[in-house]
Amino acid sequence: GENVEQHPSTLSVQEGDSAVIKCTYSDSASNYFPWYKQELGKGPQLIIDIRSNVGEKKDQRIAVTLNKTAKHFSLHITETQPEDSAVYFCAASGTRSGGGADGLTFGKGTHLIIQP
Amino acid sequence: GAGVSQTPSNKVTEKGKYVELRCDPISGHTALYWYRQSLGQGPEFLIYFQGTGAADDSGLPNDRFFAVRPEGSVSTLKIQRTERGDSAVYLCASSPYQGGGVPYTDTQYFGPGTRLTVL
Repeated sequence: GENVEQHPSTLSVQEGDSAVIKCTYSDSASNYFPWYKQELGKGPQLIIDIRSNVGEKKDQRIAVTLNKTAKHFSLHITETQPEDSAVYFCAASGTRSGGGADGLTFGKGTHLIIQP
Repeated sequence: GAGVSQTPSNKVTEKGKYVELRCDPISGHTALYWYRQSLGQGPEFLIYFQGTGAADDSGLPNDRFFAVRPEGSVSTLKIQRTERGDSAVYLCASSPYQGGGVPYTDTQYFGPGTRLTVL
């Protein structure tokens, strides 16, 4: 089955600086790669996702890049703000032959700390 | 609109007891997923429903775990003879997949979870 590795486990950056979180996956059949933000006591919230037919996607201060050959994808957050502090998870899944998606395989998470 | 809701938000039970956890998906979402999240870990997939049927239950850890979705909307995760190792946050997610090869309907939206504590 799919295996997703995520690093670093903890990342501390100064407010206003950029943060980068990296993930690798093992199953070349995976074609959907979402990123979730989870705050304490809450469920994961989707912040951005990318599918295997594109290499990069951007939404305001957040961007994700995908390298299918190397089987890795990264989350980039620019101009970090205190409210960006949370745990971030990457995930991967495949698409079923009849449509719909498999269950997601998650990384272990990155605790992002924004220092004021 | 309303998101995924889960009840109860917290459940404390004793070892050996039976528990039921409920998930109300986003209205109209046909796909429903259950995950389990242990402290400090990412969510782990348990089971996936497409409509009323379990399309993939490969993540259920053993036969003490069972889930149903009899009318294709609300789902219940059932755990028999609970053990202390079952303590975790149980998350539910739904997805708007409609079938027929409609693209890009695989985004999963998560609920707040049920924190289960087995004493």
